[in-house]
Formats: sequence, structure tokens, C-alpha cells
Amino acid sequence: AQTVTQSQPEMSVQEAETVTLSCTYDTSESDYYLFWYKQPPSRQMILVIRQEAYKQQNATENRFSVNFQKAAKSFSLKISDSQLGDAAMYFCAYRSAYDYKLSFGAGTTVTVRA
Amino acid sequence: NAGVTQTPKFQVLKTGQSMTLQCAQDMNHEYMSWYRQDPGMGLRLIHYSVGAGITDQGEVPNGYNVSRSTTEDFPLRLLSAAPSQTSVYFCASSPMQSYNEQFFGPGTRLTVL
Repeated sequence: AQTVTQSQPEMSVQEAETVTLSCTYDTSESDYYLFWYKQPPSRQMILVIRQEAYKQQNATENRFSVNFQKAAKSFSLKISDSQLGDAAMYFCAYRSAYDYKLSFGAGTTVTVRA
Repeated sequence: NAGVTQTPKFQVLKTGQSMTLQCAQDMNHEYMSWYRQDPGMGLRLIHYSVGAGITDQGEVPNGYNVSRSTTEDFPLRLLSAAPSQTSVYFCASSPMQSYNEQFFGPGTRLTVL
């Protein structure tokens, strides 16, 4: 399995502020996909955003955006205008373009302060 | 569509007991997989299948068996439960097309005493 590292076990953000979650990965492949999943207390895994490695443009989904640095093998998630409903554990995941197995990081717990 | 369903939601077993975690999807997805989630370790792949009759091992397969007799169902069997198998188990599915996300079930929390 590819190694995916999330170095921040916990992050705290004030409501309406911005928080950035870091993720790095190790691969020798050039074609792959990266994902951020959200896991609220309900335990359900919810896809937040995805990025294809061959695309230079960073993906955005409403208040969620990524900073994809392919050469540095870095894939950070920025949550803007944080809301109470953003409180959850966030997982970074890697998938090779040549199979369907996901490799996950250890997760970052995000707390949103009212 | 119900999506990916898992039963049971919670289960307590004694060491040495066997059981089957059920997973079903109604989206006609070819790819299905099982993960376990442990604190500080993220999700790790146990077994996966790329279609009926085809299964393969993931990162942590020991102590688990799977089969795929239909496209819809992908049960996970614990042969002789051990406390180390206490975990939350997720089933996921996706179409066999590049780029597609995996859809996850709601998870099963298993405790082995």
C-alpha cells in the first residue's frame, strides 16, 4: 500500500475562519487520484473533494479547495468560512490509476469553535 | 437506490466465535472492498473484489475470508474472532471506471471480548 501521511492529529478553527489540513503521500507512479473524505460522528464516510494527478488546476468544491503540489507529493485541504457542521475527522486517500485500492492517512480531527 | 448497506451495525463476540458481516449494494458496481478502521491508523484494506467470482487480499487479510457469488453481495467472514479484530468495518463499492469515487456503507462496530 502507498504511504499517506497526515501529520496533524487534531486541528481547531473558529467558526467562519479558515483551516488547512496537510497530507503528503509517497508514490513512484505518475498517474493517480487523491481524495479527501469527511467522517462526522455518524461514522458515514463522505467524499469532500478529489483531484486527478494529471490536472494541474487545483480542485474546488464550494468552501473546500485543495493545494496539489505534485512534485512535492503534497495535497492539502483548505476549508474556508468554517461552519459547525464541518466538525469531523478528515481522511486523505490515494488511489493509483491502475487499480482501485484506496490508501488512507491516519486522519485529522477538526473541531469548530462557535 | 439504497446505496451500500451493511448489517449488523453493532456486534459483540466472544473470542473464538465466528460471524459474517453482510454487505450489499444496488448500484451494479463491479468493485467492492472491505476496510477496517482503527484509532490512529485510518482505514486499511482487508479484501477486495473486481467482480463476481473474483476476490483478492488487501493489506490486512489475516483472520478474514470473503466470497463474491453475486455482483450485489460481498460478505466478510471472521473465522475465529480475536480481540485484535475489535474495530469498525466498512464496506465500499465503485464502478470499474477510472476516476470514480468509492461509496461507503454505514459501518459495523465489532467488539471481541
